Amino acid sequence: GQNIDQPTEMTATEGAIVQINCTYQTSGFNGLFWYQQHAGEAPTFLSYNVLDGLEEKGRFSSFLSRSKGYSYLLLKELQMKDSASYLCAPPSYSGAGSYQLTFGKGTKLSVIP
Amino acid sequence: DSGVTQTPKHLITATGQRVTLRCSPRSGDLSVYWYQQSLDQGLQFLIQYYNGEERAKGNILERFSAQQFPDLHSELNLSSLELGDSALYFCASSVKNTFSYNSPLHFGNGTRLTVT
Repeated sequence: GQNIDQPTEMTATEGAIVQINCTYQTSGFNGLFWYQQHAGEAPTFLSYNVLDGLEEKGRFSSFLSRSKGYSYLLLKELQMKDSASYLCAPPSYSGAGSYQLTFGKGTKLSVIP
Repeated sequence: DSGVTQTPKHLITATGQRVTLRCSPRSGDLSVYWYQQSLDQGLQFLIQYYNGEERAKGNILERFSAQQFPDLHSELNLSSLELGDSALYFCASSVKNTFSYNSPLHFGNGTRLTVT
């Protein structure tokens, strides 16, 4: 099994920077994903970290510390369209050489003018 | 467009009935995953198939079953439906049964099931 802990909700101002934290426990580490999900829509892949450190990808960056079981997603220059839920998802080993992706409830980000 | 196709988009049915949800993975993807998302709830992992074989089971009820066919498409069967089964059902696919930057999970647009 695994535990994923993220804040339930966050609010930030358009143009600002926001950091969404995630702590996790998982069996058989195989990296960590961040997904974005707008209400009623499919989750979309944002980032994947397998090594410690920061991965930058345009306005979005993701950080991983494997020893601490900790990751964060950094969103810069916030736009109204960034209002969505952000899901931290560490794969866990499910046996027979396979991994599954289990999601927490995610962090609902509201961007206000 | 993720390349994962789910049909139907919407389904309205009565309690006690049985429905089948269909998923075609992205071209080249061998793994298929099914998730359930109820209103204001997180994505609940149901079941995973890899190249036709069941590989992992999550919180899937006994009334639910799935399979992956030789052409790699998958079906999720929901029977004896209850009001609480109303949810968005997502199918997702990946190249392998492990993950990497080049092999993330790609989600379909989901099937919205309403049980009345």
